[in-house]
Amino acid sequence: GESVGLHLPTLSVQEGDNSIINCAYSNSASDYFIWYKQESGKGPQFIIDIRSNMDKRQGQRVTVLLNKTVKHLSLQIAATQPGDSAVYFCAGCYSSYKLIFGSGTRLLVRP
Amino acid sequence: DADVTQTPRNRITKTGKRIMLECSQTKGHDRMYWYRQDPGLGLRLIYYSFDVKDINKGEISDGYSVSRQAQAKFSLSLESAIPNQTALYFCATSDSSDRGVGETQYFGPGTRLLVL
Repeated sequence: GESVGLHLPTLSVQEGDNSIINCAYSNSASDYFIWYKQESGKGPQFIIDIRSNMDKRQGQRVTVLLNKTVKHLSLQIAATQPGDSAVYFCAGCYSSYKLIFGSGTRLLVRP
Repeated sequence: DADVTQTPRNRITKTGKRIMLECSQTKGHDRMYWYRQDPGLGLRLIYYSFDVKDINKGEISDGYSVSRQAQAKFSLSLESAIPNQTALYFCATSDSSDRGVGETQYFGPGTRLLVL
């Protein structure tokens, strides 16, 4: 079956440094992948997505890389800020609507 | 996202009680979803609805039921609550005509439920 997982439960970075959050998936049938940010007490907030036929997509301060060969995607956050502290989830989307979420990585930004 | 609201935000109930969680959206989306989140885990799909007349079971539907009263409203019921239903519950919406990279799901703020 499908599964989406994350390599590390917690990532601590210095403010101003770049952050890289990794995610692995098992099912190649995903239509696309999404990264969500969840702050304490709030629902997941959409950050960026990437279609399965793409390798890279950039947003504002964020970049998502997809490596279909090894079934891996990553979220890169440039110049990490205190406001970036949150739990980050990757999700694979199957059949256009079915999201399979990873367990999340907590990003801690040190001042 | 303020366009998706959930009530109540917090609820404490006792085993065996029936409770209902409400979700409303002003985004005009046709599709709505209910998810459950447990500590240290990602979200898991309980039920989803593609329009008012459409109800579908998700990954973990046992012990839950839903009602899609209107396009903008989707409620989740626990007919007889049990302690292992203690969790954070999220409602989400999406637009089937979304022509972006994919059909983005937008989440409400969540309802924290404690079953004693």
